[in-house]
Amino acid sequence: QVQLQESGPGLVKPSQTLSLTCTVSGGSISSGGYYWSWIRQHPGKGLEWIGYIYYSGSTYYNPSLKSRVTISVDTSKNQFSLKLSSVTAADTAVYYCARYHGSWDYWGQGTLVTVSS
Amino acid sequence: QSVLTQPPSVSAAPGQKVTISCSGSSSNIGNNYVSWYQQLPGTAPKLLIYDNNKRPSGIPDRFSGSKSGTSATLGITGLQTGDEADYYCGTWDSSLSAGPVFGTGTKVTVL
Repeated sequence: QVQLQESGPGLVKPSQTLSLTCTVSGGSISSGGYYWSWIRQHPGKGLEWIGYIYYSGSTYYNPSLKSRVTISVDTSKNQFSLKLSSVTAADTAVYYCARYHGSWDYWGQGTLVTVSS
Repeated sequence: QSVLTQPPSVSAAPGQKVTISCSGSSSNIGNNYVSWYQQLPGTAPKLLIYDNNKRPSGIPDRFSGSKSGTSATLGITGLQTGDEADYYCGTWDSSLSAGPVFGTGTKVTVL
């Protein structure tokens, strides 16, 4: 059973960079066939895809966030990470990591990141 | 602002059936598979339906999916109190802002 777990600071100051890591267990990122994704949900709102990465390092980002997003992968640790730069209060959300193969079949529990001084 | 439109809410009594629509266009639903997700309060979304009408292992057959043209529908029969949740559709959008997209979400209330 594949499991994903987000980790990272729950509070980030405006203009700084939000950094989160997703640790995958029960399956190898390097096995291929899946895209490892970040999705966020603003408080009381719907789901927004941020981007995803393949084990090879190929990335694909939501055009609306592309200028501020970097997703990277560390296959040796079976982890992938999200960096979102120049954050504002509008980036306050629950951030999920998830596995994508045409649909998102496994999700992390999510982590709330608040942007505030 | 999502390109997939769902009704904000639907409700029915226990044991009854509800359907949730997901309306899109030829750039998304019309030419791509649709998936559906259930989000119970305070939890992560869970995959209910993929490839328009397939259920992952462990998802009861009370949940069904269909697609016609540029719209998709999730059906829930034998409604239970545990089905109270938000439901989202998802697909790929091939427009200028290409990428995976989600619907606006629908709150299901069991009366």
